[in-house]
Amino acid sequence: AQTVTQSQPEMSVQEAETVTLSCTYDTSESDYYLFWYKQPPSRQMILVIRQEAYKQQNATENRFSVNFQKAAKSFSLKISDSQLGDAAMYFCAYRGTSGGSNYKLTFGKGTLLTVNP
Amino acid sequence: DSGVTQTPKHLITATGQRVTLRCSPRSGDLSVYWYQQSLDQGLQFLIQYYNGEERAKGNILERFSAQQFPDLHSELNLSSLELGDSALYFCASSVMYHPDTQYFGPGTRLTVL
Repeated sequence: AQTVTQSQPEMSVQEAETVTLSCTYDTSESDYYLFWYKQPPSRQMILVIRQEAYKQQNATENRFSVNFQKAAKSFSLKISDSQLGDAAMYFCAYRGTSGGSNYKLTFGKGTLLTVNP
Repeated sequence: DSGVTQTPKHLITATGQRVTLRCSPRSGDLSVYWYQQSLDQGLQFLIQYYNGEERAKGNILERFSAQQFPDLHSELNLSSLELGDSALYFCASSVMYHPDTQYFGPGTRLTVL
């Protein structure tokens, strides 16, 4: 079964600085999708960024970018120019493309990001 | 706003009761997923429907059931509720059942007393 591990339960960053959240995953599939979701205090789950495993180029969305290392099964999220509104719980998620994993998202336990003014 | 709606936002009920959570997917999305978020189990996949048919089951208890209606809205039924069923229940939707981005609704907070 696929597993997703976020080794940093909590992280903090100063406003305007850069922070990197770590995620590793375990899978035997060669094709899959990885996501970062943000959950602010409102509890809404908001998609931050998505990466297809077959793409070598790292995904970017404005101030958010990923470092996808397929061989190492690592998928970290970098937030540049951190803003107070970035404070949230961040979840890394995996979605496979074959068999029973095709449909569901498997989530890590999350990293709580605090942004200090 | 993801375009996925869930009602009610909050639900408080007693042990042994039955409740129904409702989800309307984004316009055009055929697939609906249900997830449970609890402190001890984290975010867990419960069940998926695609165009009215059940496609996949996760860690869903036998006391729980779901369905997707012809208008594509979905309902999650929770019965014989226990204290441990208290959680945030999310619905998500995507266009297809293929690996596709899932967009989440705001969730229903269920409290069982």
